[in-house]
Amino acid sequence: AQSVAQPEDQVNVAEGNPLTVKCTYSVSGNPYLFWYVQYPNRGLQFLLKYITGDNLVKGSYGFEAEFNKSQTSFHLKKPSALVSDSALYFCAVTYGQNFVFGPGTRLSVLP
Amino acid sequence: GAGVSQSPSNKVTEKGKDVELRCDPISGHTALYWYRQSLGQGLEFLIYFQGNSAPDKSGLPSDRFSAERTGGSVSTLTIQRTQQEDSAVYLCASSALAGAPTDTQYFGPGTRLTVL
Repeated sequence: AQSVAQPEDQVNVAEGNPLTVKCTYSVSGNPYLFWYVQYPNRGLQFLLKYITGDNLVKGSYGFEAEFNKSQTSFHLKKPSALVSDSALYFCAVTYGQNFVFGPGTRLSVLP
Repeated sequence: GAGVSQSPSNKVTEKGKDVELRCDPISGHTALYWYRQSLGQGLEFLIYFQGNSAPDKSGLPSDRFSAERTGGSVSTLTIQRTQQEDSAVYLCASSALAGAPTDTQYFGPGTRLTVL
């Protein structure tokens, strides 16, 4: 069965520094990978997705993610963090009709 | 509206009562999903509607939970005889294509359910 792991419950980074939120997956066949962000008291917002092609995917708000098939990872990155990036981030994988979310990583960007 | 809407935004009920949660998907979207997000937890898939096909109910936690989608648009999630462990945020999402795994899901703001 497919699964998604986000090994860090919490990531703290100083404003202006690069940030990485980690995601690894386990799925048979080709995965389709997504990142969503959830701000306080809000629904989830789509950031980016990997379907096929270039392993580096660029998304909303300056975020990007790199698909690494050999490491089965899809880490979310941003070169320079903003305080407003503080939120809960979810990685997700789809396979067939199933859509599986990771447990989420809370990102805190400190001024 | 342009996005997925859900109502009510907050619902407080007493244990044993029934509740109905409503979701209005983005116009024209054929697929609709319900998820549950408990405090400090990730998203738990509940049910999935794809067009006029029979829904995928594999995620419903018990027979107290049911959902319907009328006319291929609005959906209602019903929880009967609510329990305290049902307290959570219930999120609805829709996607444009017929449940294609590559399709992006767009989420509503959620309904926060509190069972006293």
